[in-house]
Amino acid sequence: GAVVSQHPSRVICKSGTSVKIECRSLDFQATTMFWYRQFPKQSLMLMATSNEGSKATYEQGVEKDKFLINHASLTLSTLTVTSAHPEDSSFYICSAGAGAGYGYTFGSGTRLTVV
Amino acid sequence: EDKVVQSPLSLVVHEGDTVTLNCSYEVTNFRSLLWYKQEKKAPTFLFMLTSSGIEKKSGRLSSILDKKELFSILNITATQTGDSAVYLCAVEAGGFKTIFGAGTRLFVKA
Repeated sequence: GAVVSQHPSRVICKSGTSVKIECRSLDFQATTMFWYRQFPKQSLMLMATSNEGSKATYEQGVEKDKFLINHASLTLSTLTVTSAHPEDSSFYICSAGAGAGYGYTFGSGTRLTVV
Repeated sequence: EDKVVQSPLSLVVHEGDTVTLNCSYEVTNFRSLLWYKQEKKAPTFLFMLTSSGIEKKSGRLSSILDKKELFSILNITATQTGDSAVYLCAVEAGGFKTIFGAGTRLFVKA
């Protein structure tokens, strides 16, 4: 079955530094990947949609210069939180799909804590 | 290590069938279990379960939690093609930690 690996599962970083989160599709080619964020006691919030080889489409209110998304290959997308601040502390999760009709598979998520 | 395991990973049924999706978990400081339905982009919330034995219902969907055996089931009766989706189970644990299962991909044939 389709497997999506997300790494790291948890990270603690200092304020002002950047953190990169990887999302890999292990046994299929992911033409589309989604990045979500979840605040405590709230549902998932879609941040951006990335298609391989093109620029990501960001949802309204999401700073593209702060949350850099790169989908350079059909099996890897990365989310870089730049100049992280404590308010960026959250749970980030990706999902990947092989295309319309194939459904989407979630990664296991990354817990980011900025101190 | 905290984990949430869903089964089956995928399921194909015919319209009108009843399906049961399973979610088992091992987490420290359990707070709640949530079910989501994901069709396109962002998953939509279905149920939040915090107490054992109390069934939650919404139309043809229902869910129940067993905190002793550490599992939950999501039932869908009289399935329709519109029920085709990925169903996600997530567990909220202490420290606002959320652990997601890998999901069950349901396909309902007309």
